[in-house]
Amino acid sequence: QSALTQPASVSGSPGQSITFSCTGTSSDVGAYNYVSWYQQHPGKAPKLMIYEVSHRPSGVSNRFSGSKSGNTASLTISGLQAEDEADYYCSSYTSSSTRVFGGGTRLTVL
Amino acid sequence: EVPLVESGGGLVQPGGSLRLSCAASGFTFSLYTMNWVRQAPGKGLEWLSYIRESSDIRSYADSVKGRFTISRDNAKNSLFLQLNSLRVEDTAVYYCARDGGSGWSLDFWGQGTLVTVSS
Repeated sequence: QSALTQPASVSGSPGQSITFSCTGTSSDVGAYNYVSWYQQHPGKAPKLMIYEVSHRPSGVSNRFSGSKSGNTASLTISGLQAEDEADYYCSSYTSSSTRVFGGGTRLTVL
Repeated sequence: EVPLVESGGGLVQPGGSLRLSCAASGFTFSLYTMNWVRQAPGKGLEWLSYIRESSDIRSYADSVKGRFTISRDNAKNSLFLQLNSLRVEDTAVYYCARDGGSGWSLDFWGQGTLVTVSS
């Protein structure tokens, strides 16, 4: 049950688009379209932003989008805003019938 | 919103036990798989366990298998996590989270309860 691999940090300027990567294996990310993404602001509970690779829950801005290729999933934020500054975690269902998270990526809006 | 309220955290000595609870309201608790996730101070999220709607299937992360036990009481809209043989590295905020039924995603989370394991 190794954690999914995410870059530790990403930064961008307001209005830019940025993409986070999330690399797993053929036993998790590559095996299922069950990748989800969570946003967490300091001191707050995580919030679901993307489910099933590319679907947005009701209420989540369409500036957030997700995709997957092979064992790597991606989250893209377009039109970066100051309020997007947070930690972002990916997660996947696994072939062991468990769930695994990535180590998280801290987004800094310059 | 779907309130999930955790309780039961606190300070415990290494080797000790604790029982966490999560009270659910605002939705039909018995229809949803529930999860526990923790976050050590300054660290990332770690999935711990899930329990299916009728408690027939439970799954655990290797890091807690054999030490932690998940359970639920659908009549009382409550989720539980029994923590035994606690270690210093179990210190974390423990969250309960609802599986929304879409691709094993966690659509609602509680605010967490802090467990501190220290002598």
